Formats: sequence, C-alpha cells, structure tokens
Amino acid sequence: EPEVTQTPSHQVTQMGQEVILRCVPISNHLYFYWYRQILGQKVEFLVSFYNNEISEKSEIFDDQFSVERPDGSNFTLKIRSTKLEDSAMYFCASRGLDEQYFGPGTRLTVT
Amino acid sequence: GESVGLHLPTLSVQEGDNSIINCAYSNSASDYFIWYKQESGKGPQFIIDIRSNMDKRQGQRVTVLLNKTVKHLSLQIAATQPGDSAVYFCAERAGNMLTFGGGTRLMVKP
Repeated sequence: EPEVTQTPSHQVTQMGQEVILRCVPISNHLYFYWYRQILGQKVEFLVSFYNNEISEKSEIFDDQFSVERPDGSNFTLKIRSTKLEDSAMYFCASRGLDEQYFGPGTRLTVT
Repeated sequence: GESVGLHLPTLSVQEGDNSIINCAYSNSASDYFIWYKQESGKGPQFIIDIRSNMDKRQGQRVTVLLNKTVKHLSLQIAATQPGDSAVYFCAERAGNMLTFGGGTRLMVKP
C-alpha cells in the first residue's frame, strides 16, 4: 500500500540553526501539507501546497518557514532560524481526492 | 508519549463493548470530516470519513455519524479490541485546510 514517508525520524538542532524536513508524498497525489504537533497537544495545520504554490497557510507559518517541491517526488519544510518553541513532531500529508494520508512524522528537538 | 500539555478526555471501555467517541466542530462551512487514530509516537492514521451531504457512513467495525444541525460528529467502534487503544481525533475540512479537534484517549481494558 502506498504511504507517505518522512526523513529524518528525529532531528536535533541548536537554536538559530536552519533545518530542512523532508517528505515523499504518495506518488499520484496532488495536494501536500505540513502539520505540527507539540508534545501532548493536538495536530495543527501549517501549510497546504498545490500546483507548485502555497494554497493556504496558518498563522504559525511565518517568514521563518518555507516549503518547496524541488522535484517530482520530494516535498520539504524549511525552518530558517529555529526557536525552542519549534520543538514538535512535524507531519507531512498528501491527498488525492479526499482522503488525506499522514507520514510517520519527524521529531524536531531544538536545544 | 503524551505526558504534558493538553489534558485529553479519556474513554475507558471493556474489550468487546462498543465505543462512542464524540466531537464538536466549529465551522459550518466545513464540507468534509475525518476521524483519525493516533498511537503514541506515530502519525495520524485515517479511519473513516464523511461528506457533509451525508449523515451516516459505515466501515468495517466503525460508523461515523454527522449532525450538521448541532455541528456534532461521532465515531462508533463495534466490539472494541485492545488494538483500538489510541487517541482519536476528528478533523473538519473547509477549503484545503484540515482543522483537528482536541482528541479523546480510548483505553480498552482486557
């Protein structure tokens, strides 16, 4: 069964450093998403991406965040200068028609 | 695991019993709703969905009910099993954005 994959599974970085989280969505899907989940809290929407551009973004997704689909398979989330409060699980998701499938997540720890 | 942060309501059921998990959504413009299951350290796993033009949809052992009048969604799990133990989130979609509810922890006692 096709699935969304994410790398790395765990990323530790120092405050102020840039990180890139990577995702490979399901191959025939057209919509791509990033969500985050702070430990013990609910999943929060960050951004949606369709047709090579951002279609919606939340207040969390400020100028420190960017997304890119550099080739036909990868979808990345970049955080330019990480803060302590960026520590969370980051989930990528993709959607064909309706069902949205999530990847296993990357745990980002900012120290 | 989830040891800090949001306090989740917990539903504790006996193995073999039916479970009902409820969710209130907020946006009357939402046209699509999904239930996800999340186990510790994993991503949300799709369980069942329903469009706003329906009020009931059944899957294997699961049923979702939608009441648009009171903006209420429920997930019914028949013959609950230990493997069903997880946090369950409802999500609503308006436009291209999913908004998740706060989640309910289901604990199944053997």
